[in-house]
Amino acid sequence: GESVGLHLPTLSVQEGDNSIINCAYSNSASDYFIWYKQESGKGPQFIIDIRSNMDKRQGQRVTVLLNKTVKHLSLQIAATQPGDSAVYFCAEKPGTYKYIFGTGTRLKVLA
Amino acid sequence: DTGVSQDPRHKITKRGQNVTFRCDPISEHNRLYWYRQTLGQGPEFLTYFQNEAQLEKSRLLSDRFSAERPKGSFSTLEIQHTEQGDSAMYLCASSQTGDEAFFGQGTRLTVV
Repeated sequence: GESVGLHLPTLSVQEGDNSIINCAYSNSASDYFIWYKQESGKGPQFIIDIRSNMDKRQGQRVTVLLNKTVKHLSLQIAATQPGDSAVYFCAEKPGTYKYIFGTGTRLKVLA
Repeated sequence: DTGVSQDPRHKITKRGQNVTFRCDPISEHNRLYWYRQTLGQGPEFLTYFQNEAQLEKSRLLSDRFSAERPKGSFSTLEIQHTEQGDSAMYLCASSQTGDEAFFGQGTRLTVV
């Protein structure tokens, strides 16, 4: 079946270090991916997206990498700040209407 | 505020009661989604509207659940005869292009 999973449920990083959050997806038909950030009690916040015809996309302090060969997605956060502490989800869109989410990775930023 | 708006933010109800949630999407977004999220899990797709047409429903959406988007703008999600297992965060998202989807803050439902 379709699934989106994450390799690490919790990631702890020192403030100022770079963070890398990984995601595996299983549907080779997925052509669009989004990373969301979710803080406690709030809805998911759009961070960055990437289409399947791209390998890399950069935003402000964030970079998403897509490896279609191994069906792997990663989110890199540069110079991680305390405000980056949250749960991060990747979502895939396998050509249908819906977005399929994984269970999330909690990022903890240590002072 | 031009984001997705959901009301109420929190709802506590007794088992067996009916509840209704409202979602106001971003203006001019013709695509609207409902998701459900339980603690520690990612959002699960419930249903999708394009304008006023409900084009897809998850099998998670039992007969007790109904969603409408009568004029292609705001949407409502109703749960009849609530059960404790319905306790979750109900999230609404909207999209203009079918790619970027923006979520509201959700409605936290607690069934006691």
